Amino acid sequence: EPEVTQTPSHQVTQMGQEVILRCVPISNHLYFYWYRQILGQKVEFLVSFYNNEISEKSEIFDDQFSVERPDGSNFTLKIRSTKLEDSAMYFCASRAGRHGLAGGGEQYFGPGTRLTVT
Amino acid sequence: RKEVEQDPGPFNVPEGATVAFNCTYSNSASQSFFWYRQDCRKEPKLLMSVYSSGNEDGRFTAQLNRASQYISLLIRDSKLSDSATYLCVVRGSGGSNYKLTFGKGTLLTVNP
Repeated sequence: EPEVTQTPSHQVTQMGQEVILRCVPISNHLYFYWYRQILGQKVEFLVSFYNNEISEKSEIFDDQFSVERPDGSNFTLKIRSTKLEDSAMYFCASRAGRHGLAGGGEQYFGPGTRLTVT
Repeated sequence: RKEVEQDPGPFNVPEGATVAFNCTYSNSASQSFFWYRQDCRKEPKLLMSVYSSGNEDGRFTAQLNRASQYISLLIRDSKLSDSATYLCVVRGSGGSNYKLTFGKGTLLTVNP
């Protein structure tokens, strides 16, 4: 069964450093998302991406964050200068989105990257 | 009012019990509704979509009441493997980006 993959599974970084979190969405999916979950809190939307551009972003997704699809398979989230409060689990998700196809609306999540900022 | 609000839990039930989860949402224009489950420190996994007519998948039954902005999930004959956090999830209105809004989740522990 196709699945979303993410690397690394755990990233430890120092405050102020840049990190890049990587995702490989399901191969025929068209819509891509990043969410985060701070320990003990709910899953929160960060950004959605379609057709090589951001379609929506939350207020969490400020100028320190950026996303990119550098090739046909990877989807990355970059945090330019990490803060302590960026420590969280970051989930990538993808959705097929093809009109007329059953299941095109469901989002499938990767296993996440645990980011620890010290 | 929170966008998606769930029973705070936790729920502790014996194997074989029936357990119900409740959820309300604030945006009356919301389009789609889902239940996800999340095991400790793992990703959310889609359990089922929720339709206005109600839908059933084995031991799981989901109901949606748009007028009351209320969603429910019923688990019958609960198994040890059902122990997880159950997340009520709503897709907003407008656009095609399908942003999901999550509730905080309700923790279920099924005991032998």
